[in-house]
Formats: sequence, C-alpha cells, structure tokens
Amino acid sequence: QSVLTQPPSASGTPGQRVTISCSGSSSNIGSNYVYWYQQLPGTAPKLLIYRNNQRPSGVPDRFSGSKSGTSASLAISGLRSEDEADYYCAAWDDSLSGSWVFGGGTKLTVL
Amino acid sequence: EVQLVESGGGLVQPGRSLRLSCAASGFTFDDYAMHWVRQAPGKGLEWVSGISWNSGSIGYADSVKGRFTISRDNAKNSLYLQMNSLRAEDTALYYCAKGGHNWNDVEWWFDPWGQGTLVTVSS
Repeated sequence: QSVLTQPPSASGTPGQRVTISCSGSSSNIGSNYVYWYQQLPGTAPKLLIYRNNQRPSGVPDRFSGSKSGTSASLAISGLRSEDEADYYCAAWDDSLSGSWVFGGGTKLTVL
Repeated sequence: EVQLVESGGGLVQPGRSLRLSCAASGFTFDDYAMHWVRQAPGKGLEWVSGISWNSGSIGYADSVKGRFTISRDNAKNSLYLQMNSLRAEDTALYYCAKGGHNWNDVEWWFDPWGQGTLVTVSS
C-alpha cells in the first residue's frame, strides 16, 4: 500500500488532455513539494516535474503539474503515442524520522 | 553526460547477503546526495535509502532498516548498498539516483537514475 494514492490506470486518445491525480496527507504533499517521474516501458524512471510545477529542460510544455492542499495533479495535453508510460508522484514525508514516498503509479494508455 | 551504472545484482538465497555498487560519472560526485530506489517485478517504486554528500547523514526505509547499509566512496565516485538478511520481498530492480546536497533535501529530486541492477532472492 503506497503512502501516496494514484489511480492505477488512465487513458486517452491522441490529442486529448489527460490528468493523473496523486493524493497524500498533511505530512507529505500538504507540506512539501511534489515530483513526477515518467517510466517508459523497459526503461528507468525519468524526472518529469519538480517542485510541484517546474519542468526540467527537454520536457515538453505539454506536461504540467499542480498542487492544492494534500493533492497534486499531472496534466498531459495534446496526448501522443510516445506518452504511453507509467507515471509516479513522489514527495518527502515528515512522519517519524522522515522518508521519501512514492505513489503506486499510473499506467497511461494512449488509445 | 551524467551517468550512473549499477552492478552487483544476482540470485541469492534468503538470509544471505549481497553488495550493490553504483559508479557515477559526469558530475561532481561529492557535491550530491545519492539514493537507492527499488522496483519489485511489475510493481511501483519504493525509496530504500539515501546518503548525504559527505556521508554525514543517512536515511533508510523502515522495510530495510537494520538489514541494509548504504555507503559511498567519494574518491572512487561510487555508491554502495550492503544488503544482509535478504528476504523474498527484497526481490527487485535496484536503481541508484542522484539527489540534492543532503538525502533529506525536500527541495531536491531524483535525477538522473541508473539503469538498475536486478536482485532476486530465492532458494
């Protein structure tokens, strides 16, 4: 059971806008930054969004992140076939001695 | 180009030990914290451990505390994970990832990641 909650799957057709949610608590998302990682099939995760809504260089502006209270969202607009991947949210959790926590991941299918 | 290359994975019996290594290049290794993150087959990501730039601060997930030990050798640009008392549930692909200055820098992220090394715990 992951500390951060994501829907296991999401889907959309090319050109559509898709949103993936990530729900946490006051000890993680509620008080810390959210990060998003993309894992293409058979590859290592790659940073997609940092500090809630910042894109690393090279990440298309079709990808955007937002945070409100204890939840966060990743939006992908103009969906493309190459966006088919697993997406994970992550955050620091202040509980006990502190640790990094991930969501369970959302498998995005481009129909 | 920043590069992380893990090694040391393999098949090991329950209760035995294994030591993973991660060779770093392309950046000033001793400026950054490093992490181990694992992914069980068909499952999601789980943070395992992190170590600050100078080894002065270390953190572990509850699931490995007391069994795993993270360390680094800045002279060799290398990160290690000593895994003892291995269990079937430790079976996973283990990634090393570059972090911030300290392992608990909440304003930093994991980037980049290595390609991973597979650990299989089975009799």
